[in-house]
Amino acid sequence: GENVEQHPSTLSVQEGDSAVIKCTYSDSASNYFPWYKQELGKGPQLIIDIRSNVGEKKDQRIAVTLNKTAKHFSLHITETQPEDSAVYFCAASKSGSSNTGKLIFGQGTTLQVKP
Amino acid sequence: EAGVTQFPSHSVIEKGQTVTLRCDPISGHDNLYWYRRVMGKEIKFLLHFVKESKQDESGMPNNRFLAERTGGTYSTLKVQPAELEDSGVYFCASSQNRVEAFFGQGTRLTVV
Repeated sequence: GENVEQHPSTLSVQEGDSAVIKCTYSDSASNYFPWYKQELGKGPQLIIDIRSNVGEKKDQRIAVTLNKTAKHFSLHITETQPEDSAVYFCAASKSGSSNTGKLIFGQGTTLQVKP
Repeated sequence: EAGVTQFPSHSVIEKGQTVTLRCDPISGHDNLYWYRRVMGKEIKFLLHFVKESKQDESGMPNNRFLAERTGGTYSTLKVQPAELEDSGVYFCASSQNRVEAFFGQGTRLTVV
């Protein structure tokens, strides 16, 4: 069945360092790959996404890369700050009007940024 | 613009009781999804509404779970009777275009 594997499960970095979270998906028909940040007591918040026709996307300190051939995608956070500490989820879906948009999530990565 | 809202935020019930969770999607979003995260595992899909119709309910665990979306606006998810393994955080999300999905804050359900 559809599956997304996410690594690592926990990640601890010093403030200012970079953090990288990696995901692998199983369904080659997936065409949309969002990343969500979940802070304590809140719901998942969409922080960046990438579609299958793009290899890389950047938004200030965060970037996402996609390797369709290998079915890998990664989240890169540069110059990490304590407020980046949260649980990060990757997801994959077959999006658009001809699909359901159902998200298949990875297991989550707890990122801790130490001041 | 109001986001997706869910309530209650927390619910503690005894095994065998009934609980109803509610989700109000972003206005104008025809697509509404329910997800669940159990015991620190991944967030799992439960079902998908398009307006008032169930488009995909392949993730519903069993017939103790009933989801409705009367009039295509808010949705409810009823668990009856609740079992211990139903404990977890239930999320609702809505989407206008079946691409970007926006999540509510979740309802933490504890069955004791």
